[in-house]
Amino acid sequence: AQRVTQPEKLLSVFKGAPVELKCNYSYSGSPELFWYVQYSRQRLQLLLRHISRESIKGFTADLNKGETSFHLKKPFAQEEDSAMYYCALRGSGNTGKLIFGQGTTLQVKP
Amino acid sequence: ETGVTQSPTHLIKTRGQQVTLRCSSQSGHNTVSWYQQALGQGPQFIFQYYREEENGRGNFPPRFSGLQFPNYSSELNVNALELDDSALYLCASSTPGHLTGELFFGEGSRLTVL
Repeated sequence: AQRVTQPEKLLSVFKGAPVELKCNYSYSGSPELFWYVQYSRQRLQLLLRHISRESIKGFTADLNKGETSFHLKKPFAQEEDSAMYYCALRGSGNTGKLIFGQGTTLQVKP
Repeated sequence: ETGVTQSPTHLIKTRGQQVTLRCSSQSGHNTVSWYQQALGQGPQFIFQYYREEENGRGNFPPRFSGLQFPNYSSELNVNALELDDSALYLCASSTPGHLTGELFFGEGSRLTVL
């Protein structure tokens, strides 16, 4: 079965500290993985996708097929990073179907 | 460029009633998908519409149905409402053949079933 697990509901760090939001997945085949973010009073939006190997707002995520993980990392957290983060997996052959994890609230304290 | 818009933003229904939620896709997007987000959970895929036909469905009963219109806007209909249908319903649109998988979400319609 296709599943995305985000083990932490809440991650609280101080400004300037490193951040790692964990995401594990279950999928048979070659997965496509994404991180979506929802800032306060804003709509859900794409942060980054694994195929692009990009760094967005200082965040990176590496797909580890051996550990079936796609953790989101940032070396130095900023207060504006406080938001809800969702890891998502794209189902095979269907562009609109994303399987989301339960989400992790990142709280960056001053 | 107009983003995804949904209506109504909030509504309250009673058990057994029917509800229709509406979504206008982002300009140039012809694929619309619907998600249900219960409190404290991630969005869960309901179904997707492409060229006015259902093109993929999640694990939801037939009383969840939809439509897509020639202008790519969409409706989600839920019949025989149950208490567990209380949730935020999100609409998302994407561009044709959007291989990167990026979805553009609306702000959602919050449904409360009493």
